[in-house]
Amino acid sequence: EDQVTQSPEALRLQEGESSSLNCSYTVSGLRGLFWYRQDPGKGPEFLFTLYSAGEEKEKERLKATLTKKESFLHITAPKPEDSATYLCAVEGDYKLSFGAGTTVTVRA
Amino acid sequence: KAGVTQTPRYLIKTRGQQVTLSCSPISGHRSVSWYQQTPGQGLQFLFEYFSETQRNKGNFPGRFSGRQFSNSRSEMNVSTLELGDSALYLCASSLTGPPTDTQYFGPGTRLTVL
Repeated sequence: EDQVTQSPEALRLQEGESSSLNCSYTVSGLRGLFWYRQDPGKGPEFLFTLYSAGEEKEKERLKATLTKKESFLHITAPKPEDSATYLCAVEGDYKLSFGAGTTVTVRA
Repeated sequence: KAGVTQTPRYLIKTRGQQVTLSCSPISGHRSVSWYQQTPGQGLQFLFEYFSETQRNKGNFPGRFSGRQFSNSRSEMNVSTLELGDSALYLCASSLTGPPTDTQYFGPGTRLTVL
């Protein structure tokens, strides 16, 4: 069965303090790794899809990278509006398997 | 383009009752997936439908069921509600569904069972 582990569970950052979130996975044949952002009380918002090791994608202050065993979400010079829970998921048979998420709090 | 819509947004039910939740996918999307989100278990897959056919089902009891209509709208039903069914129920749509197709989520239905 597909497994996804995210670390750390929570991350508190000062505005401008860059950091990285980790997503390690076990899947029989990766078809896609997804990053979502979720604000309290809302549905997850799609950020990135990565398909193969070595792939990188960027969006504003976020950059996602992928290796054969894990993915990283780098947050560069974060702002308070980047505060959210970041979810990682891997594609299996007609479903996504999600990690528990990393809750990021950015203080001004 | 309108996003995924879910109705109702909030529901309060009592144990033993049943509930039906509705999901309207993004126009043109034919795959609809349902997930349950709780603080303890995170996001867990319930089932996925494509062109009115269920292609996969998660590890949930038979009290949880779903269906998809010819216009791709989907409903999920939970019978004989239990306290542990209190959760945020999320619907996601995509053009053709997993694998590889990006799923876009709706805002969710918050179900509280008393």
